[in-house]
Amino acid sequence: DAGVTQSPTHLIKTRGQQVTLRCSPKSGHDTVSWYQQALGQGPQFIFQYYEEEERQRGNFPDRFSGHQFPNYSSELNVNALLLGDSALYLCASSTTGGDTEAFFGQGTRLTVV
Amino acid sequence: DAKTTQPNSMESNEEEPVHLPCNHSTISGTDYIHWYRQLPSQGPEYVIHGLTSNVNNRMASLAIAEDRKSSTLILHRATLRDAAVYYCILGSNDYKLSFGAGTTVTVRA
Repeated sequence: DAGVTQSPTHLIKTRGQQVTLRCSPKSGHDTVSWYQQALGQGPQFIFQYYEEEERQRGNFPDRFSGHQFPNYSSELNVNALLLGDSALYLCASSTTGGDTEAFFGQGTRLTVV
Repeated sequence: DAKTTQPNSMESNEEEPVHLPCNHSTISGTDYIHWYRQLPSQGPEYVIHGLTSNVNNRMASLAIAEDRKSSTLILHRATLRDAAVYYCILGSNDYKLSFGAGTTVTVRA
């Protein structure tokens, strides 16, 4: 089992551009969550997808959007990139429920210049 | 979101136990207590979770106070590989994990 895989591992974009990050969940997991982690801080919840629907969203603007596919994989899209969007973007997969264990990928390091 | 309070940092010697405290005085009856850790340049890693009773697994033990307003993660014999940021998180039925700043654990050889 490959666990949670994210691509790409690193990315450099220019302000104003758009970016798409990808995540494949751990086998058997149906729920995917995305987090943003700025340098020196804890991860911040962006949103969660279950059954191809956004189930829960954190305090992030509409520039951040996502999608979940029938095979449970997911994409995170960020439009109109700002310098402040530079961060490590983490994907976590789990089964549904408040008491389940989440498995995290290694993350995508996004740098906006 | 229910909040947790952790010390910013803790130091330990290799082979000695580490006790990481966490306060969560506003915990609700349905909140699970989760612990994750993040090693440098890696994504967070699940450590342990519990609801009311103490829990043990191969990585650590979780001691939960009777009133559930605090808990302690116990690493029985710290190794250099245990140096990480440890996060105490309350997991409710809204499914998201709300990370705080965590406790940075340093292990001295």
